[in-house]
Amino acid sequence: DIQMTQSPSFLSASVGDRVTITCQASQDVSYYLNWYQQKPGKAPKLLIYDTSNLETGVPSRFSGDGSGTNYTFTITSLQPEDIATYYCQQYQILLSFGPGTTVDLK
Amino acid sequence: EVQLVESGGGLVQPGGSLRLSCAASGFHFNTYWMHWVRQAPGKGLVWVSRISSDGTTTGYADSVKGRFTISRDNAENTLYLQMSSLRADDTAVYYCARLVVGATTWGQGALVTVSS
Repeated sequence: DIQMTQSPSFLSASVGDRVTITCQASQDVSYYLNWYQQKPGKAPKLLIYDTSNLETGVPSRFSGDGSGTNYTFTITSLQPEDIATYYCQQYQILLSFGPGTTVDLK
Repeated sequence: EVQLVESGGGLVQPGGSLRLSCAASGFHFNTYWMHWVRQAPGKGLVWVSRISSDGTTTGYADSVKGRFTISRDNAENTLYLQMSSLRADDTAVYYCARLVVGATTWGQGALVTVSS
């Protein structure tokens, strides 16, 4: 299995802040990297696919970048509705999720 | 309406077996790869298994390999997960999911509790 790590595991930010989450894979995942958002009691929602492509209907304040084993997810201006847990997920070899990053309001 | 509905969850003793089902509707089930993903209470998402659209290719996370078997019945639009040799750390909500860009769909989940 490819192991995924994320940092930080928890972050607290204010409305309007720029938020960045990093994801590292145990081996090259060749841009096969997605980002999901999950709110409490809800199913995950795909936000970014193939490293940097925005899923239809997802606000442009969300973005992704990276290559090889290192990837980043950014919210350029945090909104109250963005409070959630975010997961990276690779599908280069089978699938695996990162442990998640919980974003809270300061 | 596109829908995935899991069933078959419940309480099982360590070492026991359980079979989850996932009924699909509202889309051409036989054209999509399907997945099982689990989430222990208060914990993160863990991918469990996947199966190709025709059922001939499967894959498993190391943590369940040799104990879980994924299968599907395209005539009945149903996905299955046969779980055996269950352990306490298999306790989780199990989701079936269609993980496709533009058409990602998750079920509501089935709770599996492994406890004596």
